[in-house]
Order: sequence, then structure tokens, then C-alpha cells
Amino acid sequence: EPEVTQTPSHQVTQMGQEVILRCVPISNHLYFYWYRQILGQKVEFLVSFYNNEISEKSEIFDDQFSVERPDGSNFTLKIRSTKLEDSAMYFCASRTILAGQETQYFGPGTRLLVL
Amino acid sequence: ELKVEQNPLFLSMQEGKNYTIYCNYSTTSDRLYWYRQDPGKSLESLFVLLSNGAVKQEGRLMASLDTKARLSTLHITAAVHDLSATYFCAVDRDDKIIFGKGTRLHILP
Repeated sequence: EPEVTQTPSHQVTQMGQEVILRCVPISNHLYFYWYRQILGQKVEFLVSFYNNEISEKSEIFDDQFSVERPDGSNFTLKIRSTKLEDSAMYFCASRTILAGQETQYFGPGTRLLVL
Repeated sequence: ELKVEQNPLFLSMQEGKNYTIYCNYSTTSDRLYWYRQDPGKSLESLFVLLSNGAVKQEGRLMASLDTKARLSTLHITAAVHDLSATYFCAVDRDDKIIFGKGTRLHILP
């Protein structure tokens, strides 16, 4: 069964460093999303992406964040200068464009720890 | 501003009992999702509800949507220990998805 994959599974970085989180959505999906979840808390929407541009973004998704679809398969989230409060689990999700099949499929997540 | 409220936040129940988790939201929506999350794991999609009156069932779980009341429910029938997890509802409006705080469900054998 097709699935969303994410790399790396864990990343430790120093405050102020740039990180790039990678996602490979399901191949025929056209809507892509990034979420984060601080340990023990709710899932927070970061950004949605369709047709090679951002559809919506949350207040969390400030100038330090960017997304890119550099090729036909990868979808990346970049944090330019990490802060301690960026430590969280980051999930990528994707869904198809087909009506009646709106399920979002989540990847396994990347656990980011900023020291 | 879209807000999503879930209750209860914690629920401890005996096996074999029925219970309902409620999800209220503040504005019109395009889709309503229910997810399950086990500790340390990702989110598993349970249901997507699109229209008023929609009802979906999978095993012991049944979800419904009342768009006029801006309310969705997740009903658990004859709970079993394997259903212990955190359940989230999430509301999608114009491709901006807001999650509830989650309901941590603990089913006692």
C-alpha cells in the first residue's frame, strides 16, 4: 500500500542552524501539508501546498519557514534559523485531488530536537 | 477564526461500555477528519466527513456530522482495550486544518 515517507526520522541541531525536513508524498497526490506536534500537545497546522504554491499557512509559519517541491517526488520543509521552541515532531501529509477521496495520509514524522 | 473544541480531553472507561467524544467548531468547514494516534506514533485516518448528516462506521467506531450545529461525534460501541489511544478531530476550511486538543482514551480491561 502506498505511504508517505519522511527523512530523517530524528534530527538534533544547534539553535540557529538551518534544517531541512524531507517528505515523499504518495505518488498521485497533489495536496501536501506540514504539521508539527510538540510533545504531548495537539497537532498544529503549518502549511498546505497545491499546484506548486502555498495554499494556506498558519501564524506559526513565519519567515523562518519555507516549503519547496524541488522535483516530482520530494516535498521539503526548511527552517532557516532554528529556535529551542521549534523542537517538536514534524509530520508531512498528502491527499489526492479526487472528490470523495479526501483522506489525508500522514508520514511517520521527523523528531526535531533543537539544543 | 476557526476554532475546534473537543471534549472530553481525558476519558477512562471500562471495556464493553459505550461512549461519545464531541467535536465542536466555530465556522463553516469543507471537511471534518477524525484521527487516531498511539503514543509515539503518527496519525491514522479514521474518517472524513463532508456533508451534513454524514455518518460513517468502522468496527466499533462511528462518526457523524451535523454542519448546522457545527458538531461532530465519535461514538465508541462496546469498547475494547485495543481502542486505547488519543483521538483527534480536525476541521478543514479552505485547506487550512485546525485540530482539536485530542481526547486521551484509556480503556480498562
